[in-house]
Amino acid sequence: AQSVTQPDIHITVSEGASLELRCNYSYGATPYLFWYVQSPGQGLQLLLKYFSGDTLVQGIKGFEAEFKRSQSSFNLRKPSVHWSDAAEYFCAVGRNAGNNRKLIWGLGTSLAVNP
Amino acid sequence: SQTIHQWPATLVQPVGSPLSLECTVEGTSNPNLYWYRQAAGRGLQLLFYSVGIGQISSEVPQNLSASRPQDRQFILSSKKLLLSDSGFYLCACTPKGRGGTGELFFGEGSRLTVL
Repeated sequence: AQSVTQPDIHITVSEGASLELRCNYSYGATPYLFWYVQSPGQGLQLLLKYFSGDTLVQGIKGFEAEFKRSQSSFNLRKPSVHWSDAAEYFCAVGRNAGNNRKLIWGLGTSLAVNP
Repeated sequence: SQTIHQWPATLVQPVGSPLSLECTVEGTSNPNLYWYRQAAGRGLQLLFYSVGIGQISSEVPQNLSASRPQDRQFILSSKKLLLSDSGFYLCACTPKGRGGTGELFFGEGSRLTVL
């Protein structure tokens, strides 16, 4: 079955520390991969996406993610976290199906940042 | 770029009362539109999507309905709310031509509490 797993429900890091949020997927075809961020009480915003090509993708707000096919992973990273990065992060997997209704969402990782 | 407006932002309703959540889109024409529900710890659940005026597809059986009376207007309704309808409702869109990319643009959300 197709699925997305974000193993870490909640992560706390100190401001300035590095960050890695994990995302593992199970998908029968070559996936499209996404990371979205949600600030408290807000909608979601796309951080980055991977369709093909270079497996290391750069996104907004200094985030990057690496697609590792052999590990079925698409982990999100940031070298130095800022207090404003505290939010909920969602990984999603899909494919070009003509629309986005087939996106599969992870349950999210809540990030807290200590000053 | 597209902007999505949702209202009301917060709503408290008694069980059995009707519901109407509205979503309007600016900055793009003929988008694909989506209603998601987000419950705590359960990620995002796609409720409805629409590829055009009057064209609604339901993803899950439920107490809710959706309508698209105009190109950039999407409405979520219920005739009689249930306690289980409580949640955070998100409207999203994808511009046509990018429908398969997974790049969703979200509104700010409407928080519904049913008492």
